[in-house]
Amino acid sequence: GQSLEQPSEVTAVEGAIVQINCTYQTSGFYGLSWYQQHDGGAPTFLSYNALDGLEETGRFSSFLSRSDSYGYLLLQELQMKDSASYFCAVDYGGATNKLIFGTGTLLAVQP
Amino acid sequence: EAGVAQSPRYKIIEKRQSVAFWCNPISGHATLYWYQQILGQGPKLLIQFQNNGVVDDSQLPKDRFSAERLKGVDSTLKIQPAKLEDSAVYLCASSLDLEGEYYNEQFFGPGTRLTVL
Repeated sequence: GQSLEQPSEVTAVEGAIVQINCTYQTSGFYGLSWYQQHDGGAPTFLSYNALDGLEETGRFSSFLSRSDSYGYLLLQELQMKDSASYFCAVDYGGATNKLIFGTGTLLAVQP
Repeated sequence: EAGVAQSPRYKIIEKRQSVAFWCNPISGHATLYWYQQILGQGPKLLIQFQNNGVVDDSQLPKDRFSAERLKGVDSTLKIQPAKLEDSAVYLCASSLDLEGEYYNEQFFGPGTRLTVL
């Protein structure tokens, strides 16, 4: 079977750093993506890791360990606008770019 | 560049009725996806097209759901007849997949929120 696990909720204060973990068990794996979704909005792409290690994009970084079937999204210098749901998604299709999404982590940033 | 367009944004129907959703992907994007997102869950892939061919429809409930992508551009998703458990947001996404190239970012539309009473 295929499964992804993320914490359901995380709370942090403005300016802080937060880490959202994702563990996965899938029959195929080409990479791990992260998407952000504001309430009532469309998911938007944040990052993709195909290889082990850390990828940094501005305030957001994403990490992957293929041997541990584990990844995380790191958000630094939190802002109120970062309050949203964050989904990890396993790419199990390779060239066909098929994703299976986790259940999402609701991040609440408090003043 | 214009994003993925979807319509309608909201739809309320009674069970056993039919409904159709429309999606216009980003210009030049060969791959189009339909997802179902139930409240509190992540998007679940229903069907994936590359140009006008189906790549994967393994999770599409084919007894009631159908989808087509004529001419490899716009797509429609239909539910007939609808059930209460079909209440969800239906998201369309597209990605740029040129022959021999692989782009891992999917661009999502705003979705259609369906309520089945």
